[in-house]
Amino acid sequence: GQQVMQIPQYQHVQEGEDFTTYCNSSTTLSNIQWYKQRPGGHPVFLIQLVKSGEVKKQKRLTFQFGEAKKNSSLHITATQTTDVGTYFCATGANNLFFGTGTRLTVIP
Amino acid sequence: GAGVSQSPRYKVAKRGQDVALRCDPISGHVSLFWYQQALGQGPEFLTYFQNEAQLDKSGLPSDRFFAERPEGSVSTLKIQRTQQEDSAVYLCASTLAEATNEKLFFGSGTQLSVL
Repeated sequence: GQQVMQIPQYQHVQEGEDFTTYCNSSTTLSNIQWYKQRPGGHPVFLIQLVKSGEVKKQKRLTFQFGEAKKNSSLHITATQTTDVGTYFCATGANNLFFGTGTRLTVIP
Repeated sequence: GAGVSQSPRYKVAKRGQDVALRCDPISGHVSLFWYQQALGQGPEFLTYFQNEAQLDKSGLPSDRFFAERPEGSVSTLKIQRTQQEDSAVYLCASTLAEATNEKLFFGSGTQLSVL
């Protein structure tokens, strides 16, 4: 299946700081989906990006799909303790393959 | 139902035992996926059904793993002769569409511990 690498693996931020996670592939991707998994929970869908250069916003979250459709990012502005969890990117046409995830810790 | 339902929530098995994990997808959802998630890792694809047809089982780690969805709704993932390395959370997901260009709805998972 398609491989996507995520960096960083872990991120600790002070509440109010910004946070960014990156998803990279060596091949062109048909789409990118982002999921959030709270500790002890299951992945919950956040967004899907399909167009080159696409940018979507959800309140404090900004999602981007690269021009070459080989990378994507999720940026959170002014993190809150409710943002704690692991953020996964995922891609695939018929089967969805997940990245390794970025675990975000927010220090109050 | 309101969401994807998985049972049991927790399962403890002795090495060598067979286990069966159940997934009840959202009513009307065509596609059903099984994933394995080890502690601290991302979900790893196991298998995919479109209605009752198993279209991809390339992620099943060995022939001890078997999945079925005989009537195109409820699915069962069976693991025979469990090994310690099978310990993980098994997630089921479903989607209305026939491909994954729609979002996946995940169940809460079954946490399997093999002793």
